[in-house]
Amino acid sequence: GAVVSQHPSRVICKSGTSVKIECRSLDFQATTMFWYRQFPKQSLMLMATSNEGSKATYEQGVEKDKFLINHASLTLSTLTVTSAHPEDSSFYICSATGAGYEQYFGPGTRLTVT
Amino acid sequence: GENVEQHPSTLSVQEGDSAVIKCTYSDSASNYFPWYKQELGKGPQLIIDIRSNVGEKKDQRIAVTLNKTAKHFSLHITETQPEDSAVYFCAARQNAGGTSYGKLTFGQGTILTVHP
Repeated sequence: GAVVSQHPSRVICKSGTSVKIECRSLDFQATTMFWYRQFPKQSLMLMATSNEGSKATYEQGVEKDKFLINHASLTLSTLTVTSAHPEDSSFYICSATGAGYEQYFGPGTRLTVT
Repeated sequence: GENVEQHPSTLSVQEGDSAVIKCTYSDSASNYFPWYKQELGKGPQLIIDIRSNVGEKKDQRIAVTLNKTAKHFSLHITETQPEDSAVYFCAARQNAGGTSYGKLTFGQGTILTVHP
């Protein structure tokens, strides 16, 4: 299957700071990228959907000014958590679709806000 | 919107036994049904998928069946091995139109434990 990478895999930041997570499709062009968060022992919760060159579409209840998404190219999307607080600590996972039906996920980023 | 229910929430089997996980969906417009395996601390891995124009698909020890009329689909793992232990998620999706695909709606997940 296609490969999606994320960086960093783990990040610890202080409350009030911002952190950026990168998501890259390594061997295909991602027309659409998705950002999810996952709490322990729970399912994946979609945060937003982004198409290259367009503004992201956020799910209800997700603050677009807090979770900034940029999909600058067909292989790169970034999620910036602004003014992070301890309740933002979670596992953030990106995924991407290309020309086919399949949606491939990255390995995830563990964010801990102290 | 779409709603996906997944059962059971936990499943424990002996090595070599079969495991079956079932999902139901609510939106008859959904036409793509993937299954993902997620190991602890990792992202979900696509293991098999099925489209609505197919009733069954098999890949070695893994198979998926789809009943469009009843709106349910199932994952079957035969000859289970300890390395099959993980959380399994089903999902459903409809096309958003054109070349754009809609979002996946996930089930709640099944924790599969295969005992040696």
